[in-house]
Amino acid sequence: DAMVIQNPRYQVTQFGKPVTLSCSQTLNHNVMYWYQQKSSQAPKLLFHYYDKDFNNEADTPDNFQSRRPNTSFCFLDIRSPGLGDAAMYLCATSRDVINRPRPYEQYFGPGTRLTVT
Amino acid sequence: RKEVEQDPGPFNVPEGATVAFNCTYSNSASQSFFWYRQDCRKEPKLLMSVYSSGNEDGRFTAQLNRASQYISLLIRDSKLSDSATYLCVVRRTGTGFQKLVFGTGTRLLVSP
Repeated sequence: DAMVIQNPRYQVTQFGKPVTLSCSQTLNHNVMYWYQQKSSQAPKLLFHYYDKDFNNEADTPDNFQSRRPNTSFCFLDIRSPGLGDAAMYLCATSRDVINRPRPYEQYFGPGTRLTVT
Repeated sequence: RKEVEQDPGPFNVPEGATVAFNCTYSNSASQSFFWYRQDCRKEPKLLMSVYSSGNEDGRFTAQLNRASQYISLLIRDSKLSDSATYLCVVRRTGTGFQKLVFGTGTRLLVSP
């Protein structure tokens, strides 16, 4: 089945120790997103790749970076995790094509739950 | 004011009940609308896209009221497995790429 895969599902890191979360997709979607979601809050978009073009949200801290080496893979790098970065990190994908019968629907991976100690 | 607003609930209903959620959006340029379901500590999953004429999928019916800028979700014959948080999501139209805007969700608890 076509899907969005995230690894690891659970990540524990120490305060200040860099961590990388990965996402892969077999949907062949051209847009990939990274969201941060904290308890009882809406998912917060950090950035997205539209094809190879990186788009950062204005309020995403510099501590968060991303890489998309090819269509299928996308990485989230947290350079110096703080206690406030503990959250669920969700990767999502969509096919952004005008006049597509079901446009703009995003499909989420299972998430990586990050704990910072 | 948040761009997408939902009653956080929880809505407590017995099995078999009908329950409805509303969601209001503030940006009249919003063009695409969705309901996502999110189980505790899981990812959001697309439940329904909401079309202008309204649409139905089994026990679920979604309606869009552009004049009043709200979207509704009706669940008939509630099941225990419907217990989850329901996220209202909108997307603006306009030049260039437009991101999705999520509500904080309405929590539904279905009891035996």
